[in-house]
Amino acid sequence: QITLKESGPTLVKPTQTLTLTCTFSGFSLSSSAEGVGWFRQPPGKALEWLALIYWDDEKRYSPSLGSRVTISKGSSRNQVVFTMANMDPADTGTYHCARLVNLELHLRWFDPWGQGTPVIVSS
Amino acid sequence: DIQMTQSPSSVSASVGDRVTITCRASHNIDTWLGWYQQRPGKAPKLLIYDASNLRGGVPSRFSATGSGTYFTLTISSLQPDDFATYYCQQVDTFPRVTFGPGTRVDIK
Repeated sequence: QITLKESGPTLVKPTQTLTLTCTFSGFSLSSSAEGVGWFRQPPGKALEWLALIYWDDEKRYSPSLGSRVTISKGSSRNQVVFTMANMDPADTGTYHCARLVNLELHLRWFDPWGQGTPVIVSS
Repeated sequence: DIQMTQSPSSVSASVGDRVTITCRASHNIDTWLGWYQQRPGKAPKLLIYDASNLRGGVPSRFSATGSGTYFTLTISSLQPDDFATYYCQQVDTFPRVTFGPGTRVDIK
């Protein structure tokens, strides 16, 4: 069974850096054709893709967030770390991680997802 | 970015009803479309990929069609577990995927 779980602070002050950890089980990010992505969902709004890391440490980021975000493999083999700098109240929302999965030979889908962790940006 | 729209934004239905949700893309995305189900406080769950392929373990009452810019998700006979919010997602511009705003299906 594949599971993912997000963890990190619930409350962050404006201008601070957010650090979230995705802890997963049931697959290895060291194996070929694996990846983990991060998403967020502001209250009442659509899901938004933020970042993606592949098994070979290749990384992709949302152009709208630019250099504010980074993604990396964690110190434990079953973790991925996501950071977002210069947090703003507009960054409030639920943050999810998800496994990249190969379906019909296409490595474009994310499944399963973690339940998400709420992040509130407020002074 | 490719913009995704959904209609209706919400629908009230009864157990046993047939429900259809529509998703439109701002540009041609061929069949690079998926559908997710999200229950309150839970993780999004992939139901459909490549516009019409049912993910393993998903009940056959779910079906989907479409290509290009117009897509539909149909639940043939609504069950209590199906009351949730449904999102479409385009992966044509992967990894810069984008989602629709969601359609909430609630109990009439």
